[in-house]
Amino acid sequence: AQSVTQLDSHVSVSEGTPVLLRCNYSSSYSPSLFWYVQHPNKGLQLLLKYTSAATLVKGINGFEAEFKKSETSFHLTKPSAHMSDAAEYFCVVPQSQAGTALIFGKGTTLSVSS
Amino acid sequence: DAGVIQSPRHEVTEMGQEVTLRCKPISGHNSLFWYRQTMMRGLELLIYFNNNVPIDDSGMPEDRFSAKMPNASFSTLKIQPSEPRDSAVYFCASSLRDEQYFGPGTRLTVT
Repeated sequence: AQSVTQLDSHVSVSEGTPVLLRCNYSSSYSPSLFWYVQHPNKGLQLLLKYTSAATLVKGINGFEAEFKKSETSFHLTKPSAHMSDAAEYFCVVPQSQAGTALIFGKGTTLSVSS
Repeated sequence: DAGVIQSPRHEVTEMGQEVTLRCKPISGHNSLFWYRQTMMRGLELLIYFNNNVPIDDSGMPEDRFSAKMPNASFSTLKIQPSEPRDSAVYFCASSLRDEQYFGPGTRLTVT
């Protein structure tokens, strides 16, 4: 069965410092993987998507994620945090190879202090 | 494109009343999803449709909840009768392939 585990429920960083949000996945095949972001009182927005074309995926707002099959990880990073990055981030995997339903991780809340 | 449209954005109702949430997916998308988000349970998939046909409704909490998709451009989620524990933010999302696009959500408060 497909699953994702977000290793931190809350991450706090200072503005201008790097961001690392960790995600491990479990899959019986090489899956697509996503990161979504949810700002306070907003809907979820697709941040980036991995589809096996390249292991390093660049997304919006300077975020990127690296797919590491040997570690079954898909960590989200950003070199320099901005106050506007404060939000909840979800690591996501499709429910099955053929289906369209998604399985969401429990989310990581990113706090950014000045 | 206007994105996924949900209405109303906020709904406050009394216990026992019927509540209807509405969703207009992105034009051309063939899958539609209803989610519920609470602090306690996080984001839960309630039901999803493919080409207007319900595919998986195993997430629908109980018979009080029902969803319909009469055509490719409209879906409803109905709760009858509503209860305080139904208070949550309900999201609709649509997709053409595997990436989903979310609406802004409907914040439901049942008193």
